[in-house]
Amino acid sequence: QKEVEQDPGPLSVPEGAIVSLNCTYSNSAFQYFMWYRQYSRKGPELLMYTYSSGNKEDGRFTAQVDKSSKYISLFIRDSQPSDSATYLCAIRAAGNKLTFGGGTRVLVKP
Amino acid sequence: GAVVSQHPSWVICKSGTSVKIECRSLDFQATTMFWYRQFPKQSLMLMATSNEGSKATYEQGVEKDKFLINHASLTLSTLTVTSAHPEDSSFYICSAIARGIYEQYFGPGTRLTVT
Repeated sequence: QKEVEQDPGPLSVPEGAIVSLNCTYSNSAFQYFMWYRQYSRKGPELLMYTYSSGNKEDGRFTAQVDKSSKYISLFIRDSQPSDSATYLCAIRAAGNKLTFGGGTRVLVKP
Repeated sequence: GAVVSQHPSWVICKSGTSVKIECRSLDFQATTMFWYRQFPKQSLMLMATSNEGSKATYEQGVEKDKFLINHASLTLSTLTVTSAHPEDSSFYICSAIARGIYEQYFGPGTRLTVT
């Protein structure tokens, strides 16, 4: 079993819809949770960073963490074609090393 | 946000030769840099962690004699792929963190093709 599981997609939605992404993890020691966006042939770009259970909002993005269920989510409201990318969850315990999910490809159709 | 650059962005080399990839933090001092490898449609796999002035720590299964990492300054780390083979063709990405900051900032990646 992988430490971090993420549905690979692809996830196709019409423009303006809500995109819902999620990851599950197995290690209770994980404390810090991140979402990255990666366009094709580019490096990942940090979108959201949180370390506690609950919701965190930043513009059209909402990150949700449920430590009791070991489940994290990212919601993108009012999705745009420019949101089409691969979204990676990344989690770490104390220390610097990140463990990535496999990534979910998202396609927002105009 | 912090900026990390990589050079070159794309390199083609012949089998058996060595190639060096540079990773630079442009506006902060990177106490730790990470090197990842990414195959098409797959996630990032951590290869090694390097701290300035010390030897890199390699992940299990990564050959340290094949993938030489040098972190000689707080703004530069290099990855040298020695005696490259076609199976080394991949997308190599570095990331960096500053002292006391745990957010990793990623470079744009380097596409290596070995013919």
